[in-house]
Amino acid sequence: SQKIEQNSEALNIQEGKTATLTCNYTNYSPAYLQWYRQDPGRGPVFLLLIRENEKEKRKERLKVTFDTTLKQSLFHITASQPADSATYLCALDTGGFKTIFGAGTRLFVKA
Amino acid sequence: EPEVTQTPSHQVTQMGQEVILRCVPISNHLYFYWYRQILGQKVEFLVSFYNNEISEKSEIFDDQFSVERPDGSNFTLKIRSTKLEDSAMYFCASRKQGADTEAFFGQGTRLTVV
Repeated sequence: SQKIEQNSEALNIQEGKTATLTCNYTNYSPAYLQWYRQDPGRGPVFLLLIRENEKEKRKERLKVTFDTTLKQSLFHITASQPADSATYLCALDTGGFKTIFGAGTRLFVKA
Repeated sequence: EPEVTQTPSHQVTQMGQEVILRCVPISNHLYFYWYRQILGQKVEFLVSFYNNEISEKSEIFDDQFSVERPDGSNFTLKIRSTKLEDSAMYFCASRKQGADTEAFFGQGTRLTVV
């Protein structure tokens, strides 16, 4: 069955640095991969979607890469701020009717 | 900005009772989903709904669960006979189209089975 692994349970960085989160997947070749942000007690909030034919996607301070050969996506937050502290979820779609989420990486940005 | 709304925000129920969780998806969206998240664990897919029928369901979504879109706006999840292990946060989500569009999540219903 499809599996998603987000390598770090938690990541601590200093304000202003770049945070890099990793997502690896197995047993599937998704056409799309998504990243979400989740704050405690709240629903996931969509951040970015990247297609299999896109190597990289950017949105403001966010950047996502998608390597279908390595079966890996990297999520970068540049110039990180304490307000970026949250759990970040990687998700892949299996045909539009089912989305599988990774366990998430908790990011702590220290001022 | 349009949003997915869920009610109630918190529901406490006795084991064995039926519960109905309600969701109002964004009005022009066509795909609807229920997910659950047990405290401290990952978001798990339960079921997707498109064109007035279930498109896909997970192994969690057994005969105790059902979904309905009784009118043009509401989307409900029913659990017929709740168990202690059904205690979780339940999220509804909707999408305008398929996998290449973003999913909008509601704020969730925290279900506590006692």
